[in-house]
Amino acid sequence: KAGVTQTPRYLIKTRGQQVTLSCSPISGHRSVSWYQQTPGQGLQFLFEYFSETQRNKGNFPGRFSGRQFSNSRSEMNVSTLELGDSALYLCASTLDQLNQETQYFGPGTRLLVL
Amino acid sequence: AQSVTQPDIHITVSEGASLELRCNYSYGATPYLFWYVQSPGQGLQLLLKYFSGDTLVQGIKGFEAEFKRSQSSFNLRKPSVHWSDAAEYFCAVGSYSGNTPLVFGKGTRLSVIA
Repeated sequence: KAGVTQTPRYLIKTRGQQVTLSCSPISGHRSVSWYQQTPGQGLQFLFEYFSETQRNKGNFPGRFSGRQFSNSRSEMNVSTLELGDSALYLCASTLDQLNQETQYFGPGTRLLVL
Repeated sequence: AQSVTQPDIHITVSEGASLELRCNYSYGATPYLFWYVQSPGQGLQLLLKYFSGDTLVQGIKGFEAEFKRSQSSFNLRKPSVHWSDAAEYFCAVGSYSGNTPLVFGKGTRLSVIA
């Protein structure tokens, strides 16, 4: 089975722009979670989607949003980028139960905001 | 709310030496516990997990971890470290009930010297 894939792998944007990141989960997995990883804050949970519905949400501003499609692929969008949004964005998928199963992580998208 | 503390930000060990990475968690009930490893530029890979049963858990790459409820700890061990083990290690805790996201520690960076 193919693993979790994320595109693009690297991205450079300027302040004020918006960005969309994509995540394709492992085939058959219905839950997709997004995390932001920075050296100072570590791994912080952004949100989780299951069957096209947001099931959990972390403590991030409304500039961060996401969605999930019927094939379980997910996108996250960050509008009005700030320098502090520079981070590694990780996507993880599970079959169903978020915290009772192994989360499989993708390689991440590294976003640099200038 | 759950929380995870990894007291050591950075550890350096010699190749062939034993390793112990510390993890303390805070959670009111029986937790689900995980150790993940992240190599540079990569996503997170699951090393091992504890859900219930035997408190000594075996994982991949020769790692093991022991759940000690009385100490709220889930330390990761390896008897003989290889240079390829140099990476960042994350401990995470999940809740037994409901679909809530994992909470990760800030990570411990492992360096291996010859």
